[in-house]
Amino acid sequence: QSVLTQPPSASGTPGQTVTISCSGSNSNIGRNIVNWYQQLPGTAPTLLIYSTNQRSSGVPDRFSGSKSGTSASLAISGLQSEDEADYYCSAWDDSLNAWVFGGGTKLTVL
Amino acid sequence: EVLLVESGGGVVQPGGSLRLSCAASGFTFDDYAMHWVRQAPGKGLEWVSFVTGNGDATYYAESVKGRFTISRDNSKNSLYLQMNSLRTEDTALYYCAKDRGSSGWTHWGQGTLVTVSS
Repeated sequence: QSVLTQPPSASGTPGQTVTISCSGSNSNIGRNIVNWYQQLPGTAPTLLIYSTNQRSSGVPDRFSGSKSGTSASLAISGLQSEDEADYYCSAWDDSLNAWVFGGGTKLTVL
Repeated sequence: EVLLVESGGGVVQPGGSLRLSCAASGFTFDDYAMHWVRQAPGKGLEWVSFVTGNGDATYYAESVKGRFTISRDNSKNSLYLQMNSLRTEDTALYYCAKDRGSSGWTHWGQGTLVTVSS
């Protein structure tokens, strides 16, 4: 059971906007920045969003991150077939003295 | 170009040991903290361990504390993970990742597979 909670799956049709949530607590998301990682099938994870809302180099502006209280969100607008991947949120947890990940969300483009 | 290449994975019996290595190139290795992250087959990412750039501080996930040891040799641009008392639940693909602080973990290796089985 992950410290950060993500929906196991999400889906949308091409062109739609999809939002993936990441719920935590005051000891992690509530106090610290959130990073998002994308993992395409059969490949290593890559950094998508850092410092809660900053796009990593080369990431299109269709991807955006935000945070409110103890929850964070990743929004993907203008959904494309190549966005099909697993998405993970991550943050430092002050209570655990550890980095924690969400369980991951598998995004399907219908 | 930043490159991280893991090695040392394999099949080991429960209770056994294994040492993973991560060879780094394309950046000033000792300027950056490093992580080990693992992914069990068909499962999500799990952070394992962290070491600062000069090796003076380390952190571990509770699941590996007391069994795994992270270290680095900056003269060889290499990161290591010594894994002892291995359990079947340690079976996973192990990645090393470069930490750029508030800029995130910007580079990951392709992983090395560890299988713990009798």
